[in-house]
Amino acid sequence: DAKTTQPPSMDCAEGRAANLPCNHSTISGNEYVYWYRQIHSQGPQYIIHGLKNNETNEMASLIITEDRKSSTLILPHATLRDTAVYYCIVRVGSPTGANSKLTFGKGITLSVRP
Amino acid sequence: KAGVTQTPRYLIKTRGQQVTLSCSPISGHRSVSWYQQTPGQGLQFLFEYFSETQRNKGNFPGRFSGRQFSNSRSEMNVSTLELGDSALYLCASSARTDQGYTFGSGTRLTVV
Repeated sequence: DAKTTQPPSMDCAEGRAANLPCNHSTISGNEYVYWYRQIHSQGPQYIIHGLKNNETNEMASLIITEDRKSSTLILPHATLRDTAVYYCIVRVGSPTGANSKLTFGKGITLSVRP
Repeated sequence: KAGVTQTPRYLIKTRGQQVTLSCSPISGHRSVSWYQQTPGQGLQFLFEYFSETQRNKGNFPGRFSGRQFSNSRSEMNVSTLELGDSALYLCASSARTDQGYTFGSGTRLTVV
């Protein structure tokens, strides 16, 4: 799986948009970008994933650059409950066998301030 | 619908003992994965089961093993516990591996 690079931390004000960047310059054509988050002492929570088109769901939007070497997760109106570690993961879209695992890096710690 | 259920939530064991952790996936999910999370190593993949077959295994010693039953419930076992096995053990399930995984709240294992 391709490696991802995320800054260690960032913060934003409550109610503002949080834009979390991720670099994945070695991504392959069949690899998707997945985002998970982990709130303290809980299991990771799936947020969104995409291949090359921008994606949006009830939690967030995912913007992937045209060359697919980087992406941004956008939380449109951050709340205090969005304070968590956010993981950007690259993985093949329909994995089987050895490529089915998720490889978590250190993630980015988002702190939402009142 | 019910989420991924892991039992027990907390466990304290002594070095040298063995432990079995249980995971009940979301109904209809056939893929179950296990992860270990420690402050030093972060989240690390242990193994994945699909339809009762181990499909993928991480870089852990043979003391770590698992299995999946016909109802997709899964167990993992750690034998001859070491202090370094103290961690949060997380189980995740998925209906289709091209979608996101749903994680349980984990079992916090402390080895003393």
